[in-house]
Amino acid sequence: DVKVTQSSRYLVKRTGEKVFLECVQDMDHENMFWYRQDPGLGLRLIYFSYDVKMKEKGDIPEGYSVSREKKERFSLILESASTNQTSMYLCASSIGPVATNEKLFFGSGTQLSVL
Amino acid sequence: EDQVTQSPEALRLQEGESSSLNCSYTVSGLRGLFWYRQDPGKGPEFLFTLYSAGEEKEKERLKATLTKKESFLHITAPKPEDSATYLCAAGGATNKLIFGTGTLLAVQP
Repeated sequence: DVKVTQSSRYLVKRTGEKVFLECVQDMDHENMFWYRQDPGLGLRLIYFSYDVKMKEKGDIPEGYSVSREKKERFSLILESASTNQTSMYLCASSIGPVATNEKLFFGSGTQLSVL
Repeated sequence: EDQVTQSPEALRLQEGESSSLNCSYTVSGLRGLFWYRQDPGKGPEFLFTLYSAGEEKEKERLKATLTKKESFLHITAPKPEDSATYLCAAGGATNKLIFGTGTLLAVQP
């Protein structure tokens, strides 16, 4: 089975801190994604990557950046954490283009609280 | 604008009481309609993909159907272990998935 591992289950940070969320997948998938999930808003795409060192903005990229130095690892960076970035962050991977027939494999999520 | 709307927001059933969850979508050039299940504290888990109107897929007590405007997730004789949030997502011409906000299902014994 595909495994997508997120490094932290819970994280508490202070406003203004630089925050790194790490995600690793073990199935050699080309595509990796970062979503945030908020009550009443559903899952919203922050950034995605179709290849190593390649990244594309999703629907809500402001305040975030990403890094993909190796195929299996996709990092989400909050440059200067703010309270409105308190959320559940979900990493996902897929073999091919997600809007066609490729399902997403999700990690367990990181619940980030910014105080 | 592409949009996915799920109803109801929450549903409480007795064990064995069948029902349906609705997913209405307005997506340009639908390429796939996805259903996921999400348990508390976990990431979503894939259930089904539907590609064209009239298509149906089944897995245990769940059956997903698709029309040109909506998809239904039918739950037949549910058990308490079916309790979860069910998410619908549509992929269209933009090649991005649009997620609904989910239906929280509680099945009581």
